[in-house]
Amino acid sequence: AQKVTQAQTEISVVEKEDVTLDCVYETRDTTYYLFWYKQPPSGELVFLIRRNSFDEQNEISGRYSWNFQKSTSSFNFTITASQVVDSAVYFCALGTGNTPLVFGKGTRLSVIA
Amino acid sequence: GAGVSQSPRYKVAKRGQDVALRCDPISGHVSLFWYQQALGQGPEFLTYFQNEAQLDKSGLPSDRFFAERPEGSVSTLKIQRTQQEDSAVYLCASSPRVGTGGIYSNQPQHFGDGTRLSIL
Repeated sequence: AQKVTQAQTEISVVEKEDVTLDCVYETRDTTYYLFWYKQPPSGELVFLIRRNSFDEQNEISGRYSWNFQKSTSSFNFTITASQVVDSAVYFCALGTGNTPLVFGKGTRLSVIA
Repeated sequence: GAGVSQSPRYKVAKRGQDVALRCDPISGHVSLFWYQQALGQGPEFLTYFQNEAQLDKSGLPSDRFFAERPEGSVSTLKIQRTQQEDSAVYLCASSPRVGTGGIYSNQPQHFGDGTRLSIL
């Protein structure tokens, strides 16, 4: 069975600090897909990134970066120079071609001005 | 609009009543998903459609839950004889279909704002 663990329930940082959100996954499939979604207070989940299991290249998009390490089954998300608008719940999710997405329980990030 | 549209945004029902939740996916998206999100939890899969075919309903919690997508576009999630534990946010998502070798696409899912259901 697929499983996603986001051990950090809540994180609070001061604006401009860097913050890393952890995601650890479990799967027996060799081909799988990892996602990060942002859920602001309005409720809509916003797609941030997808990573295929065969592509371990890390990615940077503006202030966001992702570190995918198959050896530790982790797909961590770092926000550099955090801003108040980054305050939201962030979800990591795992899917395969034969199973639906499994989400972690989410990490609530609060960025304080 | 260009996004996934869900209605109603909020629904309050008395225990035992039937409710129907609507999802209008992004035009052209083959795949449609329903999720249930309890307070403080991540979304949990309910069911999946590819066009009008319901390919996976393994997440539906009981036979009181029923979903349909008769013309391959708009979908309705119906809950019969509602109970208090049905209170949650119901999310709909859609995505284009790109082959993975399995029934599920690897494309990002686009979510609606959800319907917050409260059972009194």
